[in-house]
Amino acid sequence: DAGVIQSPRHEVTEMGQEVTLRCKPISGHNSLFWYRQTMMRGLELLIYFNNNVPIDDSGMPEDRFSAKMPNASFSTLKIQPSEPRDSAVYFCASSEADLYGYTFGSGTRLTVV
Amino acid sequence: GEDVEQSLFLSVREGDSSVINCTYTDSSSTYLYWYKQEPGAGLQLLTYIFSNMDMKQDQRLTVLLNKKDKHLSLRIADTQTGDSAIYFCAETLGYNKLIFGAGTRLAVHP
Repeated sequence: DAGVIQSPRHEVTEMGQEVTLRCKPISGHNSLFWYRQTMMRGLELLIYFNNNVPIDDSGMPEDRFSAKMPNASFSTLKIQPSEPRDSAVYFCASSEADLYGYTFGSGTRLTVV
Repeated sequence: GEDVEQSLFLSVREGDSSVINCTYTDSSSTYLYWYKQEPGAGLQLLTYIFSNMDMKQDQRLTVLLNKKDKHLSLRIADTQTGDSAIYFCAETLGYNKLIFGAGTRLAVHP
């Protein structure tokens, strides 16, 4: 398996633009997680899905952020409009069950200027 | 609260042992995890321990769990320069939801 695949690896955008981050989880994993990592806040859980259904989105910072999982093999995290304070590395992770922990993607480094 | 706490930095000499400490909050956590993050990469699962265990050894890694004090530690024997990374402790909260500490940056010097 190729692991959790995220795209793009790097994204630079101007303030006010829409940004879409993509994630393909490991086949057979039924949970998917979006995290944001910054120096100030560390790793923050934004939202997670179980069997494609959002279970907990309490970590989503504000209405500018939205996430979808239309099927078991694809998820998106959208920021509209983007702001400089959204600059961070966004990680997607998937898991099969509690026992095995998560497998993380390589992350998308987002810079909003 | 949901705070997992770790010290931020650790510096060791190559060949020495490293001990990274963590305190967690949820006594009902089924599993506790250690992840490693190298520069520019995602987090990689290093090891985990089941909550009914006190110790787990995996080659150069030893995990100790003190449930009474909610304290978890990771010992790396014979630390090498390739072990330089950020190490994250994580606890399970609710169904399959991991809460991570801020990470401990391990620097290994000759």
